Amino acid sequence: DAGITQSPRHKVTETGTPVTLRCHQTENHRYMYWYRQDPGHGLRLIHYSYGVKDTDKGEVSDGYSVSRSKTEDFLLTLESATSSQTSVYFCAIGRTGGFGTEAFFGQGTRLTVV
Amino acid sequence: AQSVTQLGSHVSVSEGALVLLRCNYSSSVPPYLFWYVQYPNQGLQLLLKYTSAATLVKGINGFEAEFKKSETSFHLTKPSAHMSDAAEYFCAVSLGSGTYKYIFGTGTRLKVLA
Repeated sequence: DAGITQSPRHKVTETGTPVTLRCHQTENHRYMYWYRQDPGHGLRLIHYSYGVKDTDKGEVSDGYSVSRSKTEDFLLTLESATSSQTSVYFCAIGRTGGFGTEAFFGQGTRLTVV
Repeated sequence: AQSVTQLGSHVSVSEGALVLLRCNYSSSVPPYLFWYVQYPNQGLQLLLKYTSAATLVKGINGFEAEFKKSETSFHLTKPSAHMSDAAEYFCAVSLGSGTYKYIFGTGTRLKVLA
């Protein structure tokens, strides 16, 4: 959907390699979030950002780092990928929609660690 | 601490029948509650949200939800199911006003039978 682009959409990587996922927004929103989705767990917050160089940890941040050097880009890095990080990763921004302010989600990145 | 429980990971209904998806929450503060829908291989789309303005909340695609404080529930309903309603539905609670840090339930997959 317009507003958020996640890249890549699909990735297969080997255990122990670093991986970076990108979330790009075109709407200049201050708040950005990374979630992971796993069967039986719903979505869980990994990291979030309140602005450039202003980030904080969510509930499942171990093994992940983030960076936000520009308003429009929020990068999620798996420092050394493990099989437990096989998941679908969603980026979200806070924006005004049909229900007022809401979290708006990207299309997701499916990551497989082999 | 906030939490969300969705009863029933899979629900099947006949086309034209009532849809009822259950969500119970736990929150130490007045909650902001949400229902999201996820179609296959897509991101999450907001169906509706509760922010204390009204206990019966109307959303998109004919869905509505009723906030019941005494039961700590926020169940999602639709009077007549359509084949296009087949999807996964997530209930979520916000960790505070003005934030998009959500706690999600584990999801309910709705199947609509012809």
